[in-house]
Parts: sequence; C-alpha cells; structure tokens
Amino acid sequence: DSGVTQTPKHLITATGQRVTLRCSPRSGDLSVYWYQQSLDQGLQFLIHYYNGEERAKGNILERFSAQQFPDLHSELNLSSLELGDSALYFCASSSQVRATNEKLFFGSGTQLSVL
Amino acid sequence: AQSVAQPEDQVNVAEGNPLTVKCTYSVSGNPYLFWYVQYPNRGLQFLLKYITGDNLVKGSYGFEAEFNKSQTSFHLKKPSALVSDSALYFCAVRDGNNAGNKLTFGGGTRLMVKP
Repeated sequence: DSGVTQTPKHLITATGQRVTLRCSPRSGDLSVYWYQQSLDQGLQFLIHYYNGEERAKGNILERFSAQQFPDLHSELNLSSLELGDSALYFCASSSQVRATNEKLFFGSGTQLSVL
Repeated sequence: AQSVAQPEDQVNVAEGNPLTVKCTYSVSGNPYLFWYVQYPNRGLQFLLKYITGDNLVKGSYGFEAEFNKSQTSFHLKKPSALVSDSALYFCAVRDGNNAGNKLTFGGGTRLMVKP
C-alpha cells in the first residue's frame, strides 16, 4: 500500500458530463501530481501542486482543472467529457517540491469510462 | 525537451532465465532515471533510481539497472526471472538540472514470464 488514496476507483459517465476525481496524498507529503494513462498516449503528466500552489503543467486540456486544498488533498475536475477522455487517472505524491531525485508514490488510480 | 523510449512493447522470458527490459532516454541536463512497475489494477511502484555514482543500480525484488551515458540507456535487468515478475514496466527520466518537476515516462514494456 503506497499510502496514496484515490476515489472513486471506477467512474462511468456520459459525454458532456463533469466529474471530480479525488486524491489524498501520503501523510506528510506536500506534492501531488496527476497523470493520465491511456492505451494510445501512455502515461502523460497533467499537473503538479505543492502545498496548495500549482507548480507545473503538462498536457492538461483546458476542460480539465485541478486544485489542492489546505488539508493537502487534491481534486481533478474533468468537464465536457469526450469519449477520448476515457483513461486511468493516477495521483502521485512526494514530500518535496523539487523532488528531482525523489521517488513518487502512486495511488491505485481512477478508471474513467465515458460512454 | 526530455523523452524516454522503450522499444519493446512486450518481452517474453522463461522462468529462471535472465531478463532485460530496454530503455533509452534524452535529456538536456543530468539524467535522473527511474524504473517503476505496475501490476494489474494497481498504481505504479518504484523499483530503483539512478542519480549519480555507480552505473549499476540495485533495486527492489532483485532487479538492477545499468546506466550507460554514452548510449543514453538505462536497461532493467534481473538474473533469474520469476512468474510473479510479470507486469508492466515503465522507465522514466527527469532533468536533474531543471527546476521543473516533470517526470517523463516511457510507453511501458509488458514483461511476461512463463513457467
């Protein structure tokens, strides 16, 4: 068990809808990263938050947004969903902001299916 | 821009035989290299990392990886494969000279170990 909790594990919704994915990092970790894993794109970095502030953005669509709350949990909001948004969304955490040599701890992911 | 290539989608090996999973990288600064493993319905788990020092890095579950600067490679190896090693393996790189925190993953290699 990595200590990173993601909910829900599975989410089935329709095109055009909006969903929220939740992540609780390991106790004491201030950094939260979101990744999207799909068959055609592989594992893509979406966004990084450190102690409530956005620190880096990757291949995140404008329809997607995220935030990290004072209690350090993070939410990834996906709106106007399209079929192509179906993927496994991972959250990962680490203790530092730079973490260049530090390993990440991954949650088990949220499997999003857009029908 | 940094990138990682895992040239093999799948590697098949018999139990007890040595295994190699290949990875090459491209980064402008000093490479910080990682291997992660993903078991079915689980998040990624850290296996090992190379930051500096000895080119041969030892990690979890008997895995090791060899950093080769001239060939920009970081192949994952294990002397004797187990059926339980069957999983999806990801190589990842970060630029050690860059203040950004993006960890770039390769496309993954599925390792199948047959009894």
